[in-house]
Amino acid sequence: EAGVAQSPRYKIIEKRQSVAFWCNPISGHATLYWYQQILGQGPKLLIQFQNNGVVDDSQLPKDRFSAERLKGVDSTLKIQPAKLEDSAVYLCASSPLKGSSYNEQFFGPGTRLTVL
Amino acid sequence: RKEVEQDPGPFNVPEGATVAFNCTYSNSASQSFFWYRQDCRKEPKLLMSVYSSGNEDGRFTAQLNRASQYISLLIRDSKLSDSATYLCVVNTNAGKSTFGDGTTLTVKP
Repeated sequence: EAGVAQSPRYKIIEKRQSVAFWCNPISGHATLYWYQQILGQGPKLLIQFQNNGVVDDSQLPKDRFSAERLKGVDSTLKIQPAKLEDSAVYLCASSPLKGSSYNEQFFGPGTRLTVL
Repeated sequence: RKEVEQDPGPFNVPEGATVAFNCTYSNSASQSFFWYRQDCRKEPKLLMSVYSSGNEDGRFTAQLNRASQYISLLIRDSKLSDSATYLCVVNTNAGKSTFGDGTTLTVKP
C-alpha cells in the first residue's frame, strides 16, 4: 500500500515570498491533517479535513496560511507571504476513519521549508 | 501551560537499561492516547496506543492514569535501535490530536 506522498521535500524561499505544499493521502483515508513541526518541538496541528470539509483550523494563521482539499483527496497548503518564523517541517498525515479519536495517523515524509 | 507536557530529556542510557517516560495532559475530556516514535529527520510513526488497563508490546509497556491525567511509557532491555524521540499524543473525542514536544532517548553501547 502506498504511503502519504508530499512534495516538494525541500524548499528555500526568501521572506515575503509565497510557497505551496502538496499532499496525497493514503487512498480511501477520510481524514487529512497538516502539521507544522519547528525544530525541537512536537508537531502542531494547523488544519484537519474530513473528506473536503474543515474540522479544525483553530491554529492556522489565516492571515497568511490557507489550505484546501480537492474533491476530498489531495490537499495543498499555501503560505503567502512567508515569514522567517515559518521555517519548519510541514507534515501531512491521513487516517482512515471519520470522526474517530482512535485513528492511527500515517505521516508523509514532510516538506522542509527554510525562509531566508 | 501546554496541553501536553513531556519529560524534557534527553535520556542517555546504556544498552540493556530500563527507561521510563512520563507525559501529562490538561484536557480532562481527552479520549484516546498514543505514543509515536520519530527518528531523526523522519516522520512520526505510531509506536502504540495506550489503553486504560495498560498494555504491553514486547519490551514496551504503556500505562494511563486518567485520575492524574498522565501517561507513561516503559522500555525494558533498551537496544541501540530504540534511540529516537518519543512523542506523547492526546486526542479529543472529535479526533483532534495534540502532540507533546517529545523526549529524546539515546541508547549507548
